[in-house]
Amino acid sequence: QKEVEQNSGPLSVPEGAIASLNCTYSDRGSQSFFWYRQYSGKSPELIMFIYSNGDKEDGRFTAQLNKASQYVSLLIRDSQPSDSATYLCAVPGAGTALIFGKGTTLSVSS
Amino acid sequence: EPEVTQTPSHQVTQMGQEVILRCVPISNHLYFYWYRQILGQKVEFLVSFYNNEISEKSEIFDDQFSVERPDGSNFTLKIRSTKLEDSAMYFCASTPTRITVNTEAFFGQGTRLTVV
Repeated sequence: QKEVEQNSGPLSVPEGAIASLNCTYSDRGSQSFFWYRQYSGKSPELIMFIYSNGDKEDGRFTAQLNKASQYVSLLIRDSQPSDSATYLCAVPGAGTALIFGKGTTLSVSS
Repeated sequence: EPEVTQTPSHQVTQMGQEVILRCVPISNHLYFYWYRQILGQKVEFLVSFYNNEISEKSEIFDDQFSVERPDGSNFTLKIRSTKLEDSAMYFCASTPTRITVNTEAFFGQGTRLTVV
């Protein structure tokens, strides 16, 4: 059974800072990784995915993947109060499911 | 922008009653899913559905649960005899293909089920 681990936080950063969110996964064979953002009481929405070692940038977001160490991270540059949410790391399961971590709660203070 | 829609947004039911949660997936998507999230816990996979049959189900998806695509647009989750521990947010999702390295799963806004 694939597992995804995240520090639940909360992670508190001031506005304009870089927020760093980390995720580790159990299955060395996992190929791709998804970062979802979930506002309180709302549904998950995809921020970005990554499947190659290294960095992938999309606007203020950078995903970093290190398959040898089995971790994936999400950096948020110039954090804004609107980034305050729970960030979910997910990997595809063996079949059709997405396996989610418990999420890290980010709080950006103005 | 196409979206997954769910109804109702909130359902309160008595323990032991049957509930049906409804979803309209994105029209050209082929895979449909139900996930649940108990308050404060992780999003958990329940079941996936493809080509009018269950593709995969988790240990949570026991005989009390069933899914159906009664027509060309709706996708339903039925809980036959609700228990207090079924109280959760239930999310429907859809994808155009089986989840691969770059497949985005689109989630509905969720149905909050409260069993009293």
